[in-house]
Amino acid sequence: NAGVMQNPRHLVRRRGQEARLRCSPMKGHSHVYWYRQLPEEGLKFMVYLQKENIIDESGMPKERFSAEFPKEGPSILRIQQVVRGDSAAYFCASSPDRVPYEQYFGPGTRLTVT
Amino acid sequence: AQSVTQLDSHVSVSEGTPVLLRCNYSSSYSPSLFWYVQHPNKGLQLLLKYTSAATLVKGINGFEAEFKKSETSFHLTKPSAHMSDAAEYFCVVSKRAGGGADGLTFGKGTHLIIQP
Repeated sequence: NAGVMQNPRHLVRRRGQEARLRCSPMKGHSHVYWYRQLPEEGLKFMVYLQKENIIDESGMPKERFSAEFPKEGPSILRIQQVVRGDSAAYFCASSPDRVPYEQYFGPGTRLTVT
Repeated sequence: AQSVTQLDSHVSVSEGTPVLLRCNYSSSYSPSLFWYVQHPNKGLQLLLKYTSAATLVKGINGFEAEFKKSETSFHLTKPSAHMSDAAEYFCVVSKRAGGGADGLTFGKGTHLIIQP
């Protein structure tokens, strides 16, 4: 069973461009979570999705950020009009219905905004 | 609201000696608690979890943690450190009681250094 997959692993964007981060959960996992790790800080929860539904987006910035988890395909975290402060590592995690609290993390996408 | 405090930002021990990483939590309900480890430039790996069963929890790689409600603590220990244990360790609490699916709240992390 392949682990949580994220791509790209590294992404460089100029200020004002859009960033799209992809996450494929583990097989059989219907819960997806996105976290952000800023330099010198711990991980911060952003959003929790369950197939086609956003369950909790309390950690998402109000503007420029959006997330989706369509019926088919990976979950996408989209950041519009990126700014330097968006530079961070973005981690995706997934969990199964049977033990929903047990989250498995992907390797992360390191976003650099120049 | 729930939170975790990792009492040490850095811990340095010699190889073969015991490891103690301290964590205190704050929660308005009986929490689910976890320890995750992050090796340099890697993702996070679940070490162990507490979800209201046995208070002494055993995890992978010889780590264990004890949930102490009276002290609101969930310290991580290992009897004998190995060089490969050098990494960042995160104490984590679930937002939801009873172990349901929900976002996790992370501590700021403890950097474990192993001296040869």
